[in-house]
Amino acid sequence: QVQLVQSGAEVKKPGASVKVSCKASGYTFTGYYMHWVRQAPGQGLEWMAWINPNDGDTGYAQEFQGRVTMTRDTSITTAYMELSRLRSDDTAVYYCARAGSITSLPGALDIWGQGTMVIVSS
Amino acid sequence: ENVLTQSPGTLSLSPGERATLSCRASQSVDSIYLAWYQQKPGQAPRLLIYGASSRATGIPDRFSGSGSGTDFTLTISRLEPEDFALYYCQQYNTSPRTFGQGTKLEIK
Repeated sequence: QVQLVQSGAEVKKPGASVKVSCKASGYTFTGYYMHWVRQAPGQGLEWMAWINPNDGDTGYAQEFQGRVTMTRDTSITTAYMELSRLRSDDTAVYYCARAGSITSLPGALDIWGQGTMVIVSS
Repeated sequence: ENVLTQSPGTLSLSPGERATLSCRASQSVDSIYLAWYQQKPGQAPRLLIYGASSRATGIPDRFSGSGSGTDFTLTISRLEPEDFALYYCQQYNTSPRTFGQGTKLEIK
């Protein structure tokens, strides 16, 4: 079945970086955009960025520009989100989510990973 | 950015009742780019509605979406116990792909 499996929880100190992975299976990895969304404790959903796994093209929310890096490894159908210069307010659950086909119009987020908790604390 | 405002913040209803959730955008959204998600505690969001009115795979027909321009609505015709959750709208027309702040649907 189509699924996204994310890496485990992380605890980081302020100023450090974190890299979260998202392993895709059950569909053509390079055929669909991958997005990242985060959710701080008790808060709503915040869209962060997308990557085209076929060519590596990326797009970011302005507030994350310069701090977030999206990459992928097509040989193992895995997408990565790295967030640098971590602050305490980056503490959140980070989700990867599949969006629409790269050959069609933008799509909604139809498949979600289970989420990765990232805690930033000194 | 296109700010989405959901109302009410909390909706208290009983099973069997009808729920109407609103999502208002600060800028017009092409309706094919408006989605609704459901989230239960400790779980990832689940896509309910895309293109403003199309149900995602496996979503019961008691869920329906409507609207255009800046005003969109999610309706649950007869609430089941499992429907009590958080609901978010999202526009994916422009970047950043903003979410509303959510509506909590709770049991009265």
